[in-house]
Amino acid sequence: SAVISQKPSRDICQRGTSLTIQCQVDSQVTMMFWYRQQPGQSLTLIATANQGSEATYESGFVIDKFPISRPNLTFSTLTVSNMSPEDSSIYLCSAGEYEQFFGPGTRLTVL
Amino acid sequence: DAKTTQPPSMDCAEGRAANLPCNHSTISGNEYVYWYRQIHSQGPQYIIHGLKNNETNEMASLIITEDRKSSTLILPHATLRDTAVYYCIVRVEGNTPLVFGKGTRLSVIA
Repeated sequence: SAVISQKPSRDICQRGTSLTIQCQVDSQVTMMFWYRQQPGQSLTLIATANQGSEATYESGFVIDKFPISRPNLTFSTLTVSNMSPEDSSIYLCSAGEYEQFFGPGTRLTVL
Repeated sequence: DAKTTQPPSMDCAEGRAANLPCNHSTISGNEYVYWYRQIHSQGPQYIIHGLKNNETNEMASLIITEDRKSSTLILPHATLRDTAVYYCIVRVEGNTPLVFGKGTRLSVIA
């Protein structure tokens, strides 16, 4: 099974600023996925990150707001840009071909 | 949109079997049934998955009906630590994302 870590685990940010979330996998993976979980809600897929190509975004999510990097097969970052209180959520990354594993999440609060 | 339907909540007495149902009537032939759970404030945890045969591991058993239109996750001896939201997801095996529905909130009661 893959072990996935995320940094930071939580943060409190001011509106208008940006936060970059890091996701590290302990083995090489082809695809990594980013999800958002708003308070009291289920998980929603933001984008799929494939190493060496642009991320593929789901409807309602755009690259200018959520730029993603995938510099190698074990690492990815998600930036939440120009934040507003509506961006307060838990952001999770995952990876895995058969059994998909998740990181512990980043709890973001925007004031 | 999620392709599964689950009851929003269930209760189970500690030590008893918890049987969580899931309907997936539009499942395709190459889609697997996956179960995950999310304990409060943690990332989702993989439980089990299967295609058409029943599956068992150290955590749970998965029973899939012969027509594959529904399944049941069985936790044989529920403990308080099994209190969580349980998600049933259908997915093509491989590098594809998971599409989460609302899941079932299981409360294990002492």
